[in-house]
Amino acid sequence: EAGVAQSPRYKIIEKRQSVAFWCNPISGHATLYWYQQILGQGPKLLIQFQNNGVVDDSQLPKDRFSAERLKGVDSTLKIQPAKLEDSAVYLCASSRSRETTQETQYFGPGTRLLVL
Amino acid sequence: AQSVTQLDSHVSVSEGTPVLLRCNYSSSYSPSLFWYVQHPNKGLQLLLKYTSAATLVKGINGFEAEFKKSETSFHLTKPSAHMSDAAEYFCVVSDRGNQFYFGTGTSLTVIP
Repeated sequence: EAGVAQSPRYKIIEKRQSVAFWCNPISGHATLYWYQQILGQGPKLLIQFQNNGVVDDSQLPKDRFSAERLKGVDSTLKIQPAKLEDSAVYLCASSRSRETTQETQYFGPGTRLLVL
Repeated sequence: AQSVTQLDSHVSVSEGTPVLLRCNYSSSYSPSLFWYVQHPNKGLQLLLKYTSAATLVKGINGFEAEFKKSETSFHLTKPSAHMSDAAEYFCVVSDRGNQFYFGTGTSLTVIP
């Protein structure tokens, strides 16, 4: 089966600019996650969707970050305006369901963002 | 609350020698535990997972991990390191909501 797709793979912007990332999860996966991974750290969950509804966005900086999954399939994550500290790899993951702790999350290759 | 502690930020081994990457967790109930590997500029790949079945879990590429509830540990091992094992390894605990809590990672270097 096809894996989680993300684009773009790399993005360089200047601070205060806007940027958007796209994710297409594995077909049939109900749950979609966006993570931020700063260099030298483990991934940190930004937002979790179940179908097209938000399950958890407690760690999403809502003054500048937004995400949507309108049709319950692919998703976009936006940063507006970007700050230097947003430089990181943004990972998208999906799993079949959040109804059990046994579900494996499958990760995309990530989008590497550099804010200058 | 769930959390994961990876005891070593960096491990170096010689090719052909055993690998041990240590992980301790805290969880208020029986957790699911995972090990993921991340090669440079690649996505996270699942190595193995524990979900309350057998305590010794075998994964891909010869890796295995043992769940020890009394020690709240889930250490990752491999009998013989290969050059291709050089990567970042993450221990992960999952809660009822299927939210993942990542450790800070262990960077494995394999010396030829």
